[in-house]
Amino acid sequence: DVVMTQSPLSLPVTLGQPASISCRSNQSLAYSDGNTYLNWFQQRPGQPPRRLIYNVSNRDSGVPDRFSGSGSGTDFTLKISRVEAEDVGVYYCMQGTHWPYCFGQGTKLEIK
Amino acid sequence: EVQLVESGGGLVQPGGSRRLSCAASGFTFSNYAMYWVRQAPGKGLEFVSAISSEGNSTFYGNSVTGRFTISRDNSKNTLNLQMGSLIPEDTALYYCARAYCNDTGCNQGDTWGQGTLVTVSS
Repeated sequence: DVVMTQSPLSLPVTLGQPASISCRSNQSLAYSDGNTYLNWFQQRPGQPPRRLIYNVSNRDSGVPDRFSGSGSGTDFTLKISRVEAEDVGVYYCMQGTHWPYCFGQGTKLEIK
Repeated sequence: EVQLVESGGGLVQPGGSRRLSCAASGFTFSNYAMYWVRQAPGKGLEFVSAISSEGNSTFYGNSVTGRFTISRDNSKNTLNLQMGSLIPEDTALYYCARAYCNDTGCNQGDTWGQGTLVTVSS
């Protein structure tokens, strides 16, 4: 099975500063259809997950452009250019290339 | 408005069964694959099961294979999860989510329900 490893698991950030989360898989997430199914989700306390980025780098509608995704193969990154108070929560990467699909352990972003 | 609403959660004794449902509205349900994802209290997210748009392909996570059965009724816009031989480790908030696939690829997990809580305890 694919294993997704996120780092860091805890991310204290000063308001207005950038933040970066790494997500690595133990197998390539490139699929035979030419896509790479690596998605990023944000989960605020008491809320269901909300997708931010799909297929590595496509931002969902309504997601602020301070969020961006990049990467390929087995190595992926979510970046927040300037952290705002509403960004507090847990961030998960998710691979949807190989069944069973799976998530990373989650990265808890907090304001310093 | 696109919406997914889970129901059926509750307290179940170990070894018991429970049937969860997810009611879909606001989109053409039969065009979407569907997922069940769970989250144990204070823990991360775990894929439980998936089903193709037509219902003819199903997938299960290692921890539930042989105990859970996913199904759908496209005429009623409903997704189901029949859970059996429940153990305390199945205690979690169960979410349904959707995925759309076409000739150019898949769009996974853009919409989630609020979840329904299953507690397995004596």
